[in-house]
Amino acid sequence: NAGVTQTPKFRVLKTGQSMTLLCAQDMNHEYMYWYRQDPGMGLRLIHYSVGEGTTAKGEVPDGYNVSRLKKQNFLLGLESAAPSQTSVYFCASSAGGSNYNEQFFGPGTRLTVL
Amino acid sequence: KNQVEQSPQSLIILEGKNCTLQCNYTVSPFSNLRWYKQDTGRGPVSLTIMTFSENTKSNGRYTATLDADTKQSSLHITASQLSDSASYICVVSAGYGGATNKLIFGTGTLLAVQP
Repeated sequence: NAGVTQTPKFRVLKTGQSMTLLCAQDMNHEYMYWYRQDPGMGLRLIHYSVGEGTTAKGEVPDGYNVSRLKKQNFLLGLESAAPSQTSVYFCASSAGGSNYNEQFFGPGTRLTVL
Repeated sequence: KNQVEQSPQSLIILEGKNCTLQCNYTVSPFSNLRWYKQDTGRGPVSLTIMTFSENTKSNGRYTATLDADTKQSSLHITASQLSDSASYICVVSAGYGGATNKLIFGTGTLLAVQP
């Protein structure tokens, strides 16, 4: 049981390049989330999904797109990377629907945009 | 505006000592409060989750308290170990449950345990 996995672990992009971050979970969770973590700030929600085929915007969605074609996978795309998107990206998943709604986090992807 | 503030920003203690981390929040409507531990280079891991009606919860050497009246929480670590060195993040869930709940993250307290 791997939990939540993320690929890649590190990536360096040039401004304007595109890339996709992959998140996978093997806990059969309905809900999945993408966050970014920046120095001196709490984690901020980018996009989330409450089930296969559904996505919704979070707190900071601009410049990102997501897709949830399979229940176990949640993809985060950057179409035209900007230096402001340099950050550590975390994916999380939860069973959802309850008051507790505990989220399980992946190990993170460190992205640098030059 | 929903906010979660943590203090201190960083803390250094000697192995074997106890410490207490603080969290103040302004979140409405309050659903629950969580403490996460984040090791360097890793994702956050849940330590405790408390709802409005719970005022204390323990997980091994970690004990969290919640005072819903003053909107304060604390995380007490007993007999610290080197492996406790990490960032401890207070997170408050706002909403009435399910997908509409929003998690508000504090910026964390960075704890260093020295031998």
